[in-house]
Amino acid sequence: NAGVTQTPKFQVLKTGQSMTLQCAQDMNHEYMSWYRQDPGMGLRLIHYSVGAGITDQGEVPNGYNVSRSTTEDFPLRLLSAAPSQTSVYFCASSTEGFDQPQHFGDGTRLSIL
Amino acid sequence: KQEVTQIPAALSVPEGENLVLNCSFTDSAIYNLQWFRQDPGKGLTSLLLIQSSQREQTSGRLNASLDKSSGRSTLYIAASQPGDSATYLCAVSLILGYSTLTFGKGTMLLVSP
Repeated sequence: NAGVTQTPKFQVLKTGQSMTLQCAQDMNHEYMSWYRQDPGMGLRLIHYSVGAGITDQGEVPNGYNVSRSTTEDFPLRLLSAAPSQTSVYFCASSTEGFDQPQHFGDGTRLSIL
Repeated sequence: KQEVTQIPAALSVPEGENLVLNCSFTDSAIYNLQWFRQDPGKGLTSLLLIQSSQREQTSGRLNASLDKSSGRSTLYIAASQPGDSATYLCAVSLILGYSTLTFGKGTMLLVSP
């Protein structure tokens, strides 16, 4: 049981490039979410999903896309990277909802030059 | 909009001290409150979850209390140890359909031997 696995752990991009941050969980959790963590800002919700095929926007969705084709995977896509998207990105999952204990991955540290 | 504040932002104590971390929130209509621990370079680990109908939760040397009417929660750590050094975050879940978590910015704790 690996929990929540995020790849890659580190990434450097140039402005305008696109990429996908991967998130996978092996706990059969229905609820998954993406947060970004910036100094002085705390964690902010980007997108979330309450099950396969169902996604919704969080607090800071602009510049990011998500899809949920399987229960296990919830990838986050940066369409055209901007320096403002330099951050640490965390994926989380839970069994019954966001008001239940969340299981977090170790994060992806992303730098946009 | 729900806002979550954690005071102090940083705390340094000698080993063995009992300490209290504070969390306040502006909207008392919460579903629950969670306390997390984050080690440097790692994701968040859920420590305690208090439902809105509860007053406190305990796990080992940790005790979390909730006063929903005043919008406050405290995390009490007894007999602190160097291994407790980490950033502690609180997050609240609102009672609004598919609720999501709103995080505080955290308290960085350093326990010195």
